[in-house]
This record gives sequence, structure tokens and C-alpha cells, in this order.
Amino acid sequence: DTGVSQDPRHKITKRGQNVTFRCDPISEHNRLYWYRQTLGQGPEFLTYFQNEAQLEKSRLLSDRFSAERPKGSFSTLEIQRTEQGDSAMYLCASSLEDHQQNTGELFFGEGSRLTVL
Amino acid sequence: DQQVKQNSPSLSVQEGRISILNCDYTNSMFDYFLWYKKYPAEGPTFLISISSIKDKNEDGRFTVFLNKSAKHLSLHIVPSQPGDSAVYFCAASAHNNDMRFGAGTRLTVKP
Repeated sequence: DTGVSQDPRHKITKRGQNVTFRCDPISEHNRLYWYRQTLGQGPEFLTYFQNEAQLEKSRLLSDRFSAERPKGSFSTLEIQRTEQGDSAMYLCASSLEDHQQNTGELFFGEGSRLTVL
Repeated sequence: DQQVKQNSPSLSVQEGRISILNCDYTNSMFDYFLWYKKYPAEGPTFLISISSIKDKNEDGRFTVFLNKSAKHLSLHIVPSQPGDSAVYFCAASAHNNDMRFGAGTRLTVKP
């Protein structure tokens, strides 16, 4: 397995446009997370899925942000009507939720960098 | 809400010496703590973790110490190597739910 992959790696868009990022987790992982990271800050939690169920979405930054994981495999993060303040690195991570041996470790992708002009 | 804090944005250490990175947290419900390492243009990678039932976990040159009463943990790297130069993030989770990260400490190990 090649790890968590994210696409695109870089996206430049104009304010007001919609953007969508895709994340392909490690294949056997049932949990998938989205984080945002801005310069000088740590990853900021946005939402996560266990299989196809979105277990937490209250920390999505606004109603312009939405995420899906329709078949419990890949996930998409969409930002509608982008604003300059949305410029950041969007990180995806996956993990295996195993009540007996879960280490809590997240495996991160390389991120999708968004620049809103 | 900064539930996980890394108050030192940077640390510089001589090769061969000990590096100590610190982290404080405010949420007493956190029961799992991790350190991640990040190189430029890469996502964070897991380094070491500790459960709240322990106060120390060691893995080679890396040791994490947890002081629950002080809500403080630290990462010790000894001996430090130039390849350890990276940004280190402290992270914590409660009951295996979403993980919260600190702002990171940039470690520079000088040859």
C-alpha cells in the first residue's frame, strides 16, 4: 500500500469558486480524518468518518465546508464560495479503529495546499 | 480552543546532546498522547505515543514522559542527530475521538 494519497497537491482558485479535494486512505483503515493547517499552527481538526458515517462535523469551519465518504473508502472535502481566509493546507489522515489494539496513530497524506486569490 | 499547547516555537540543540520538547494540555479527558514529526512538504508522521495509564514510554532514542497531575508531557531525544531537525507536534485524544494538535516546535540540530 502506498499510504494516504491526496489530490490535488496544489490548487489555486479565485475567490468565490468552489473547490473539492480528494483523499484515498490506506485501504484497510476504517477511519478517515480531515484537518486544516495554516502557517505556524498545528493541524486543526475539521471532521472524521468511521466507514461511511460522519461521526463529527461540528468543527467544520462554516456551512461552506462539507465532506463525504460515500462508500467508506475515499473521501472528498468541498469548500463552496471560497474566501481568501480558506487558504491553507488541507490534510487527510486515516487510522484503523480497533478497540483491542488501537494505538491512536493517524497516518497523514502529504496534504492539498489551497491558495485563494 | 487551544487544548494542546506547545509554548516553544523553536529549539536549537547541538548534535549529540539531548533535545527536550514540551507540551501542555488543558482537557483532563485526554487519555492518549502522541508526538508527530513533520518535514517540509510532507504530512506529519507518527513518532511515539503514550497512554494516560503510563508515565513513560521509550522507543530507541525517543522517550515520552507524561505528568498527568501537571497536564504536561515531554519528548526527549538523545542523542540528537541532524536528521532529527523537523517540526514536532504534540497531539492528544479523548476516548479515541478526534485528535487535537499543538502548534508545533521547530527543532534544529546543529552538527
